[in-house]
Amino acid sequence: QSALTQPASVSGSPGQSITISCTGTSSDVGGYNYVSWYQQVPGKAPRLMIYEVGNRPSGVSNRFSGSKSGNTASLTISGLQAEDEADYYCCSYTANNRGVFGTGTKVTVL
Amino acid sequence: QEQLVQSGAEVKQPGASVKVSCTASGYTIANYYVHWIRQAPGQGVEWMGWISPNSGGTSYAQKFQGRVTVTRDTSINTVYMDLNRLRSDDTAVYYCARDHITFWSGYSFDYWGQGTLVTVSS
Repeated sequence: QSALTQPASVSGSPGQSITISCTGTSSDVGGYNYVSWYQQVPGKAPRLMIYEVGNRPSGVSNRFSGSKSGNTASLTISGLQAEDEADYYCCSYTANNRGVFGTGTKVTVL
Repeated sequence: QEQLVQSGAEVKQPGASVKVSCTASGYTIANYYVHWIRQAPGQGVEWMGWISPNSGGTSYAQKFQGRVTVTRDTSINTVYMDLNRLRSDDTAVYYCARDHITFWSGYSFDYWGQGTLVTVSS
């Protein structure tokens, strides 16, 4: 199972919106609505930001939203803030009832 | 307050085995899938496998098949991850994480352990 493809880096200015893509296949992202997104700051465990494509856990800002089209899922951060600077990973259920993470995206707030 | 607490850092020689524990508090492991995920230094995260809450069944990433075993002891609310035939590229932080849905795995991990650094070096 190959890792899902994410851009290595995305940047934006405070207040802007950015979108991170996560591309897989019909055997993972495209075939199921079990895509989640995580935020990781250095030295810490990842934090769940989005589950089941577009659902936010309690406590996660509504500036974070998720969507999916075909084999590509997306995480959008609106009203970008300095505290959003982190690494972001997507994760998907796969056809063999296994999981696969994305390659990771470093978000920089300019 | 749900929490996962992992065992401490390990240093192992190539070819050896390591067993990392993950003890849950604030909830029972018999109700949720527990996954293991690792992260090599400076690298991304990698899914390794899970153990199911009711049957104790397991599923592993193909990459680790034959080398990893996940078990649990419900009497002490603890899950274990055993990795054998260690190589230098197994050096990583190993995390346990709970799936956020009871009795189902949507591969969405809401609680994570603090991570256990396993260093493989001769």
